[in-house]
Amino acid sequence: AQRVTQPEKLLSVFKGAPVELKCNYSYSGSPELFWYVQYSRQRLQLLLRHISRESIKGFTADLNKGETSFHLKKPFAQEEDSAMYYCALNFGNEKLTFGTGTRLTIIP
Amino acid sequence: SQTIHQWPATLVQPVGSPLSLECTVEGTSNPNLYWYRQAAGRGLQLLFYSVGIGQISSEVPQNLSASRPQDRQFILSSKKLLLSDSGFYLCAWSSRGPRSYNEQFFGPGTRLTVL
Repeated sequence: AQRVTQPEKLLSVFKGAPVELKCNYSYSGSPELFWYVQYSRQRLQLLLRHISRESIKGFTADLNKGETSFHLKKPFAQEEDSAMYYCALNFGNEKLTFGTGTRLTIIP
Repeated sequence: SQTIHQWPATLVQPVGSPLSLECTVEGTSNPNLYWYRQAAGRGLQLLFYSVGIGQISSEVPQNLSASRPQDRQFILSSKKLLLSDSGFYLCAWSSRGPRSYNEQFFGPGTRLTVL
């Protein structure tokens, strides 16, 4: 079955420490993967997509087909990174499948 | 620019009562439209999506239904609410075309409490 898994519901990291939010997927095809973020009192929005190979707000994510993972990373956490993060995957149609989300808290 | 509206923002309804949540999009034509439910620990669950007027795809069989009476209007309904329908409901839209649907734009959400 096609699935997106975020194993951590909660993650706390000290300011300045590295951040890694895990995302694994199960799909036999070539997926398109995304990270969405929801800051406090703001709308859910796209953070980055793997196809763009971009760095947004210091975050990067690499698609590892061998491990079927798409972990989100940032070398030095900032307080404004505290938010809810969702990994999402497109299985080749008009919809996205979201993971259960990880709430990231940056400790000052 | 494009905007997406949802109302009401919050709603408290008794069990067994009907439901109607509305979502409208401005500034774009022929969008794909989506209804999600966001629940703690369960993430973002796609309920319905629509690629055109009158075209509804249901993802999860349940007590809810959706309709798209106009191009930029998407309605989530129920004839009789259950306690388990409580949650935060999000509407989203995306453009058509290859890969365009991968960037979805979300509304502010409706907090529904069924008592």
